[in-house]
Amino acid sequence: KNQVEQSPQSLIILEGKNCTLQCNYTVSPFSNLRWYKQDTGRGPVSLTIMTFSENTKSNGRYTATLDADTKQSSLHITASQLSDSASYICVVSDRGSTLGRLYFGRGTQLTVWP
Amino acid sequence: EADIYQTPRYLVIGTGKKITLECSQTMGHDKMYWYQQDPGMELHLIHYSYGVNSTEKGDLSSESTVSRIRTEHFPLTLESARPSHTSQYLCASSSGPNSPLHFGNGTRLTVT
Repeated sequence: KNQVEQSPQSLIILEGKNCTLQCNYTVSPFSNLRWYKQDTGRGPVSLTIMTFSENTKSNGRYTATLDADTKQSSLHITASQLSDSASYICVVSDRGSTLGRLYFGRGTQLTVWP
Repeated sequence: EADIYQTPRYLVIGTGKKITLECSQTMGHDKMYWYQQDPGMELHLIHYSYGVNSTEKGDLSSESTVSRIRTEHFPLTLESARPSHTSQYLCASSSGPNSPLHFGNGTRLTVT
């Protein structure tokens, strides 16, 4: 069964600290893996998209890694800011159709305290 | 910032009412989607469209219907709302299967 599991479910860190969020998936055949940030009351916003051949991709203070062999990805946030408080959603796309079916994780709720 | 708009942002209605949730995008994307999201849960696809006059049901069974008469417009209609329809509805668009989804800010629907 194609699934996307994220951990931890929630995380609290102090402003300025780094953190790493995890995503494990069983989706096959694999097309790409995406990380989205969703602020409370808003729609998700794309952070990164990585294909099979990409090991790492950065977007400012956000760095995503992908290990396609172990089917794991991580999102590392450097020097956290209060505005990083949000839900971070891992999404995996398969190659089973022209549409590229998307499998969503439940997200990690990150809270950054001052 | 993506140019995709949803109205209304919040809607509280009584059981049995007909409602239409609006979604418009100005990016010229062919592919558009409707997702349902409950607190702490993953997004579930309820409808999608490849282009004008193309609509398909998603993975989550839904009593709603959609239409795609114009590229930029993808409204979702509930003929008779029920309390079980209470949820957040997110509209999204993309330019292709390997391109990011651009989401609207959602409509939070409450059916009393």
